[in-house]
Amino acid sequence: EIVLTQSPATLSLSPGERATLSCRASQSVRSYLAWYQQKPGQAPRLLIYDASKRATGIPARFSGSGSGTDFTLTISSLEPEDFAVYYCQQRANWPPLTFGGGTKVEIK
Amino acid sequence: EVQLVESGGGLVHPGGSLRLSCEGSGLTMSRYSMNWVRQAPGKGLEWLSYITTLSTTIYYADSVKGRFTISRDNAKNALYLQMNDLRDEDTAVYYCARDFSYSGSYWDWFDPWGPGTLVIVSS
Repeated sequence: EIVLTQSPATLSLSPGERATLSCRASQSVRSYLAWYQQKPGQAPRLLIYDASKRATGIPARFSGSGSGTDFTLTISSLEPEDFAVYYCQQRANWPPLTFGGGTKVEIK
Repeated sequence: EVQLVESGGGLVHPGGSLRLSCEGSGLTMSRYSMNWVRQAPGKGLEWLSYITTLSTTIYYADSVKGRFTISRDNAKNALYLQMNDLRDEDTAVYYCARDFSYSGSYWDWFDPWGPGTLVIVSS
């Protein structure tokens, strides 16, 4: 089973700041990695797939990078609606499909 | 607009059973593989099960294998999760999610998700 480790667990930032979230895989997942955003009381929403491609309707301030075992989700300038929990997920070697433990982006 | 809506959650005693449903609107579910994912209170996401369009391939997470059964009725545009021998640790919000293939992508990704249905296992 591929284990995804996200860091930091919590990121405290102000609106307008840049957010950099990390996801590390226990073995190579090539580029088969996605990022999801989850707001309180809501279902997750797909942001990024194939490590770097934005899903339909996702603003350009969200970008993904990386391949192999190290991945990054960057939010270039935080908007108030971006404060949420972010999860990475791999599909390189499954079942099982696995998620990271999440990074909470909170208002500083 | 593509929407998925889960139902069937509730309070159940340990050892009991529940059947969750997921109905789609704005999409023909028979064209897509589908998944169940859950989230325990205050915890992260856990994938549970996957089913292909014609139910020919089914996978389960080890945590639910032998207790949960995924199925679908394409004529009703519906997905199901039969949950037996429920345990306290099965308490969670249960989501259904479509496997969606973006152009050029090797794999499918979960898009969209339903709002979820809460299952509480407690005596």
